[in-house]
Amino acid sequence: QSALTQPRSVSGSPGQSVTISCTGTSSDVGGYNYVSWHQQHPGKAPKLMIYDVTKRPSGVPDRFSGSKSGNTASLTISGLQAEDEADYYCCSYAGGYTLVFGGGTKLTVL
Amino acid sequence: EVHLVESGGGLVQPGGSLRLSCAASGFTFSSYWMHWVRQAPGKGLVWVSRINSDGDTTSYADSVKGRFTISRDNAKNTLSLQMNSLRAEDTAVYFCASGGAVRPGDYWGQGTLVTVSS
Repeated sequence: QSALTQPRSVSGSPGQSVTISCTGTSSDVGGYNYVSWHQQHPGKAPKLMIYDVTKRPSGVPDRFSGSKSGNTASLTISGLQAEDEADYYCCSYAGGYTLVFGGGTKLTVL
Repeated sequence: EVHLVESGGGLVQPGGSLRLSCAASGFTFSSYWMHWVRQAPGKGLVWVSRINSDGDTTSYADSVKGRFTISRDNAKNTLSLQMNSLRAEDTAVYFCASGGAVRPGDYWGQGTLVTVSS
């Protein structure tokens, strides 16, 4: 149950697009279409932004999108806004009835 | 409106026990899988455990297997986590989250802090 690998930080200017990667193995990210992404502002509870790799819960702006290629999943945020500045975590089913999160990525909006 | 409210956190000595609770409201609790996820101070999210809607299927992260027990009471809309043989590395904010079998976090609670220290 090793944590999925995410970049420690990414940044972008308002209006730009950023992509956060989440790399696992064929036993987790690559083996199942069960990747979710969670946004967490400092001191707050996380919030689900994407599930099943590409699906957006009701209320999440369509600026947020997810994808997957092989063992790497990605979260893309287009039209960056100041309120998007937060930590982002990927999560994947890892087989054996377990789940695993990534280490988290801090998004800075310049 | 959905509410998940954790309670039961606090300071406990190494080797001690603690029972966390999560009170759910605003949704059909008995229809959802429930998860516990923890976050050590300044660190990332770590999945801990999950339980199915009926309460008869559970699973755990290797780091807590054999020490923690997840359970639920659908009549009382309550999720629990019994934590035994606590270690310093169990120190974290513990979040409860509703979701699916492979998807934590349709909704999240605000968390309860567990500190394991002598």
